[in-house]
Order: sequence, then structure tokens, then C-alpha cells
Amino acid sequence: GAVVSQHPSWVICKSGTSVKIECRSLDFQATTMFWYRQFPKQSLMLMATSNEGSKATYEQGVEKDKFLINHASLTLSTLTVTSAHPEDSSFYICSARGAGGSLGSGNTIYFGEGSWLTVV
Amino acid sequence: GDSVTQMEGPVTLSEEAFLTINCTYTATGYPSLFWYVQYPGEGLQLLLKATKADDKGSNKGFEATYRKETTSFHLEKGSVQVSDSAVYFCALSGRSTLTFGKGTMLLVSP
Repeated sequence: GAVVSQHPSWVICKSGTSVKIECRSLDFQATTMFWYRQFPKQSLMLMATSNEGSKATYEQGVEKDKFLINHASLTLSTLTVTSAHPEDSSFYICSARGAGGSLGSGNTIYFGEGSWLTVV
Repeated sequence: GDSVTQMEGPVTLSEEAFLTINCTYTATGYPSLFWYVQYPGEGLQLLLKATKADDKGSNKGFEATYRKETTSFHLEKGSVQVSDSAVYFCALSGRSTLTFGKGTMLLVSP
């Protein structure tokens, strides 16, 4: 079964509104969570890395004020796309790396199911 | 920095054919290596992994061996099925995050 749950699976929003995507680790504590964006026919692009209780580290070229990431607990990280525009339409995927244990072994990263965002 | 190179697709095979998707990497230290699969309309799933040299990861008939001497982690399957049609990503886990290859689409026809 899934060890990382992402919600919603798909969302359609109007241009100018904000959308929140949740990423939850199940059965393990995720000390680090990652957010990726996937453009059509391209590989995943890492957007940011978040550690529980601290500010996210954004990759070059990613607007931190537009893509707000919060990692408030060891099992939940959220990505908020603020003032969304059609060019933000994409597939967003989160992943989580655990602190240890049978599932979240430090060197294995599990992915959420992904969220399709369409901005109209 | 770390990098992963995998063969470009699409790879088109008939059912029951042998599959190889090449993957080579560049990394410092001793990374762990992974193959992820993305079925149409779904997110990524971990297919198999290897954490040290000469380890062989296997799952669902797929195999890959961690070859440090050739810095490779080629994915193989002896007999593919139509249901194996998907995009396959090779990845390595270094000190911080995960580095992906660009993905290889596999199309299997009946």
C-alpha cells in the first residue's frame, strides 16, 4: 500500500486563486520532504526540499513567494501555489524520506501519487 | 554534481520480448540506486533499488545490478507484458536528494 499520500489527486482552479496540495507520510516520520514538478515529456524537476520545523530550501529559479512550502509536522508537508496562473498547470509530486524504521529507512524515498493542477 | 543518464525512448517491444533500459550515473561517494516506474495517469512508484556495489534489486520480474566499475544500473526483464507499458526513471540518492534521469517510455504491443 501507499506510504506517502498526496491530496488532491487533481484540482482545477481559476486564475488568480491559491491552491494547497498536501503530502502525508503514512507509517513513518518524514524528516525530509521534497516537492517536484513534472513538465510534459520531461523529467521531474526538484522545486524545494523541506525539513520538519525549518524553512524550505528552494532550487534556483523557483519562486519561494509563489510556491509556499510548509513542513509543520513529521508527517505532513503542504505546497501552496499562490495566485495561480495557467503556466502553473502541471503535475506536482511530493516525496518523503524517513528518519528510520522498517519503511522510512534513511536512504529510501517514497513518492506520493501526484497532483494534477489545471489553472483556467 | 550528481547526474543520471538513461537511454532515450520510446522503447517499443512486442509482448514477451527481452527488455534492457540502460542507465549510467555520475556521483561522489557511494549512492543508492533506484528504478521508479510511472504508469499512465499515476504517480511514481518505486520499482527496485540497490544500496551498494554488486547488489541486485528485483521486483515484478525486473532486475538491475549495481555496477560500480561501470557506474551503471541497467534495468532488465526477460519477458515484457503489455501492462509494463510505462515510463521508467533511473535515479540515485546521494547525500541530499534524489537525482533522476529523464525517463524512458516503454511501449509493449500484444
